[in-house]
Parts: sequence; C-alpha cells; structure tokens
Amino acid sequence: QVQLVQSGAEVKKPGASVKVSCKASGYTFTSSDISWVRQAPGQGLEWMGWISTYNGNTNYAQKVQGRVTMTTDTSTSTAYMELRSLRSDDTAVYYCAKGSGSSPHGFDPWGQGTLVTVSS
Amino acid sequence: QSVLTQPPSVSGAPGQRVTISCTGSSSNIGAGYHVHWYQQLPGTAPKLLIYGNSNRPSGVPDRFSGSKSGTSASLAITGLQAEDEADYYCQSYDTSLSVVVFGGGTKLTVL
Repeated sequence: QVQLVQSGAEVKKPGASVKVSCKASGYTFTSSDISWVRQAPGQGLEWMGWISTYNGNTNYAQKVQGRVTMTTDTSTSTAYMELRSLRSDDTAVYYCAKGSGSSPHGFDPWGQGTLVTVSS
Repeated sequence: QSVLTQPPSVSGAPGQRVTISCTGSSSNIGAGYHVHWYQQLPGTAPKLLIYGNSNRPSGVPDRFSGSKSGTSASLAITGLQAEDEADYYCQSYDTSLSVVVFGGGTKLTVL
C-alpha cells in the first residue's frame, strides 16, 4: 500500500536547524509531488510548500521562504524538509503528504507526522 | 485568519445530518480550483475524506459527501456516529497568492 514514513521527534534550540525525512513506498516515487504541512499545538494546518519529485522544482510558502529547503533522494524514495533559524513558533507537528496543492486529487496519504520542539 | 472560512464547531446527535461550510473567494474556490476535505481524529495525521469537490476515496463511507457552488463548498455527514467526532479541514489553491490554502478547521462534536 502507498505509505509515507517520517523520521522521529526532534528537540532543537532557537537558531538551530532541523531536517525531517519522509520515506515513500508502494508507488513510483517520481510520479507524484510531495508537500509539507505543519500544525502548531492546538492550531490548524499550514501549508509550507511542495517539491516535484520528478525535477526537484519547489514552491515555498512566503512565511518560511528563505528558511526552508525541500529536497528529494530518488535513489531511496525519500523527501526531506530542512528548516533553519528555528524559532519557538516553529514548534509544531510536521507532515509530509503525497500530492501538490493544485492537483485534483488532494493530499493522500499523509505521513504520521514529526514533532519538532524548539526550546531553549 | 485563514483564506478559507469554516465554522469553528458544529454538533449533532447520533443519526443526524450535519454540514460544514467552507467559504472562499474568486481567487480560489470561485476560480475553479478543486476543494478537498480532510478528517483529523485526535492525535492522528489528517486523512483525505473528499477530493475534487465531491469524490470519495476508496474506503470512505458514503455517509460523507461534498459539494461546491460558486465560491463555497460544503461537507455533509449523514447518519452521524460517535467515531465521526474529529476536526475537519477544507483545502484548495489560491491563484492570486500562488499558495495552497486550508480552512481553519471545524470541530465536530457528536452529542
């Protein structure tokens, strides 16, 4: 079955960087974009951006532009999201999801989520 | 403040029908972009419930249905069950902002 499995929880200090991985299985990795969405504690969903697994093109949300880099490793069917200069308001559960935001198919499936805690 | 507007909460008794609205604008839903709906059970990742305005993925009960008209969309749940208690989010794409947009989420309480 199509599945996305993310890396484990992280605790980081303000100003540090975090890199979350998302390993895909059950489908041809390069056939579908990967998007990243985060959810702060008790809050709604916030789209961060997407990456084309076919050619590496990216589209980032303005809020994280300049601090985020999304990459892929097609040899291992893994997508990565690196966020730099972490602040306390970056504390959230980070999800990867199969699909791009403008497709007619939505985001499906989602990874299980990775909790990133930013605290001094 | 979300680009797509949802009611913060709705409730209904078991067996009843509830609807959740999702109001956008001419640059997202009204521009013809698809609306998708997600269900998020407590402590879990969101799950696709409705895609392309009104289509149900395999495995989603037909108690869930979606519709779209003009700059708004709706999710209807009939025959409410206790297991439907969750947060529901709508999602689309905004062409003027060039971003994916989510509604703020609606908490469904089954009384």
